[in-house]
Amino acid sequence: EIVLTQSPGTLSLSPGERATLSCRASQSVTSNFLGWYQQKPGQAPRLLIYSASSRAVGIPDRFSGSGSGTDFTLTISRLEPEDFAVYYCQQYETSRITFGQGTRLDIK
Amino acid sequence: QVQLQESGPGLVKPSETLSLTCTVSGYSISSGSYWGWIRQPPGKGLEWIGSTYYSGSTYYNPSLKRRVTISVDTSKNQFSLKLSSVTAADTAIYYCATDPNIYYFLLWGQGTLVTVSS
Repeated sequence: EIVLTQSPGTLSLSPGERATLSCRASQSVTSNFLGWYQQKPGQAPRLLIYSASSRAVGIPDRFSGSGSGTDFTLTISRLEPEDFAVYYCQQYETSRITFGQGTRLDIK
Repeated sequence: QVQLQESGPGLVKPSETLSLTCTVSGYSISSGSYWGWIRQPPGKGLEWIGSTYYSGSTYYNPSLKRRVTISVDTSKNQFSLKLSSVTAADTAIYYCATDPNIYYFLLWGQGTLVTVSS
């Protein structure tokens, strides 16, 4: 099983700042099948990024994903008030899916 | 517009079987796509339970495999989750979700809270 470890656990930033979230895999992620989700309180998660760097439909271009192999990053270029939420990475390997434990992005 | 809606009992007794249904609207399940279940204990992270293809192929989380059954009913445009021998550790918000590919979850239901308690 591929274990995903996200860091930091909590990130406190101000609107307008740049956010960098990390997701590290215990072994190489097959074909970069790595996604990022945003979850706000009381809501279902929303897919932001798939295949490590492709934005899902309707996702603003301030969200970008990068990385390959075992190290992946979600970057939010300029934080908007609505971006403060919990972010999860998720990977797929041979009919098996795991999620990271999440990074909480708080308003400073 | 494709929508997913979970339904089922909000309270299940320990050792019994949790049963949930996801009703799909705006899209025919038999047209394709993968259909999955994910859960989230209150205040905690996400856990994949399993996924199925419309034809019936299923894929389960190995840690839950011996207790889980996911099935599709194309006549009702629904797919279902059964989790047997539940304990308090199975208390969670249960989400159904879908994607054209098995790799991610593009569209989610709103989720339903299931509490395991006597």
